[in-house]
Amino acid sequence: NAGVTQTPKFRVLKTGQSMTLLCAQDMNHEYMYWYRQDPGMGLRLIHYSVGEGTTAKGEVPDGYNVSRLKKQNFLLGLESAAPSQTSVYFCASSYTGERTQYFGPGTRLLVL
Amino acid sequence: ELKVEQNPLFLSMQEGKNYTIYCNYSTTSDRLYWYRQDPGKSLESLFVLLSNGAVKQEGRLMASLDTKARLSTLHITAAVHDLSATYFCAVGPDKLIFGTGTRLQVFP
Repeated sequence: NAGVTQTPKFRVLKTGQSMTLLCAQDMNHEYMYWYRQDPGMGLRLIHYSVGEGTTAKGEVPDGYNVSRLKKQNFLLGLESAAPSQTSVYFCASSYTGERTQYFGPGTRLLVL
Repeated sequence: ELKVEQNPLFLSMQEGKNYTIYCNYSTTSDRLYWYRQDPGKSLESLFVLLSNGAVKQEGRLMASLDTKARLSTLHITAAVHDLSATYFCAVGPDKLIFGTGTRLQVFP
């Protein structure tokens, strides 16, 4: 089992560019999450999904969109990147909302 | 709005010593999670505490939950260098709200 994987590992964008971060899990988990982690702060939830075809907003959803077309994949999109979106992005998944969340290795994003 | 506060934010301790990290949260919840993060790495699940009075232990770490006081503690016994990391508590379920983390540094 690969667990939770994220693509890419690192990316540099210019302000206004767009990109998509891919999260994949092979544990047959229903729930998937996108977080961002900034220096000196804990993780903050961006969007999450409770099953294939569903998405919901988290704590800091502005500037991001998500899609969950397949159960195993959860995509995070930035339509027009801003320097404030420079962060480390973590994807996580869990069997249900109450069970332990398993985290991916993270994607480091730098927006210039 | 649910808030989760950890203290201390930074802890430098000598090997062999004991210490406790505190996690306070502002609204009712009966699920509390502890994670560990090494520098530049992802988060690793340590404990899931599911009810009032829950206590879990793994090696030199022991976590407890008091839902009435809205408090969880992570106790470190006889610290060793390998425990150096950042520890996060998070309150759930579903949409986890994380504390800001406690950076633990264990020195000889």
